[in-house]
Amino acid sequence: DVKVTQSSRYLVKRTGEKVFLECVQDMDHENMFWYRQDPGLGLRLIYFSYDVKMKEKGDIPEGYSVSREKKERFSLILESASTNQTSMYLCASGGRNNSPLHFGNGTRLTVT
Amino acid sequence: ILNVEQSPQSLHVQEGDSTNFTCSFPSSNFYALHWYRWETAKSPEALFVMTLNGDEKKKGRISATLNTKEGYSYLYIKGSQPEDSATYLCASPKGGGNKLTFGTGTQLKVEL
Repeated sequence: DVKVTQSSRYLVKRTGEKVFLECVQDMDHENMFWYRQDPGLGLRLIYFSYDVKMKEKGDIPEGYSVSREKKERFSLILESASTNQTSMYLCASGGRNNSPLHFGNGTRLTVT
Repeated sequence: ILNVEQSPQSLHVQEGDSTNFTCSFPSSNFYALHWYRWETAKSPEALFVMTLNGDEKKKGRISATLNTKEGYSYLYIKGSQPEDSATYLCASPKGGGNKLTFGTGTQLKVEL
């Protein structure tokens, strides 16, 4: 079974802090994704990566950056956390086109 | 339809009831339609990926149909059980690949 592991289940950070969310997958998938989920808005794509060192902006990239130095690891970085980034963050990985995504358990981030 | 839309937003049914909900998506430039189930405190899990007009897929008591010409998919659950309680998400890739745009989900609660 594909396993997508997110480093933290819950995080509480202060406004202005730099925050790293880590995600590791074990299925050699080329594609990795970061989504955030907010009530009434569904899952929204922040960034995705289709190969090592390659990244593309999703629908809501402002305030975020990403890093993919190794194929199995995709990090989401909040350069200066703000309260409007309080959310559930989900990492996913996927193989070829039209194959299903595999999700991690999510990180619930609270910025105070 | 410009985005992926789901209805209803929430649904309460009794154990044993059959139920269905709808996903609408842009019918032009269609590539695929994904269904996921997201149980509380777990990660979203893929149910189906459908690509062909008229496609029908089944997994146990859950089935889905696809109409790409008119841009909708139905998810059916036969004989609902409490363990079917979850949020059901549909998604479609914008521009191909598996960069998915998600609907806001249908939250199903099955009561005893």
